[in-house]
Amino acid sequence: AQTVTQSQPEMSVQEAETVTLSCTYDTSESDYYLFWYKQPPSRQMILVIRQEAYKQQNATENRFSVNFQKAAKSFSLKISDSQLGDAAMYFCASCYNTDKLIFGTGTRLQVFP
Amino acid sequence: DTAVSQTPKYLVTQMGNDKSIKCEQNLGHDTMYWYKQDSKKFLKIMFSYNNKELIINETVPNRFSPKSPDKAHLNLHINSLELGDSAVYFCASSEWDRAAGELFFGEGSRLTVL
Repeated sequence: AQTVTQSQPEMSVQEAETVTLSCTYDTSESDYYLFWYKQPPSRQMILVIRQEAYKQQNATENRFSVNFQKAAKSFSLKISDSQLGDAAMYFCASCYNTDKLIFGTGTRLQVFP
Repeated sequence: DTAVSQTPKYLVTQMGNDKSIKCEQNLGHDTMYWYKQDSKKFLKIMFSYNNKELIINETVPNRFSPKSPDKAHLNLHINSLELGDSAVYFCASSEWDRAAGELFFGEGSRLTVL
């Protein structure tokens, strides 16, 4: 079975600091995609960043970047210069041969001023 | 304009009742989904439709019946509601040909069964 594991139920960071959220996954597929989604208190899930497994270069979107370690099946999210608006649940997710996303259990990020 | 819209956003009902949640997307996507998020925030896929055709049907009780009148709409009907059905239900859509799982979500519909 394909699984996604987020071992940190909660994390906190001070405004302007950097925080890293962990994610590991398990698959025997060679071609897949990995995602980080953000769910703020408004509930709507928003795509933060996306990584294709065949690309060695780590994806970056402004203050958000990933550390993709394919051999270790690790896909962590780094948020730099954290802002109050970054406070949310963050879900790691994977997609293999279909459009079915498998989600991790989420990490709640708190940002303190 | 809301890309993926769900109605109602909140629904409170008694056990045994039948209820529906509607979803519409104006993104021109071919594939639509229903996800369930339980009280522990765990998200799990329930169904997906591509151009009105059922593609994914996870082990969901047959009390749940999705209906897609056209590719822009995917409604979820639930019969004989049970306490365990209380959750937030998310509709989402994606482009089929990308097969990359990039989903656009609605705001969710919180269902409370009393």
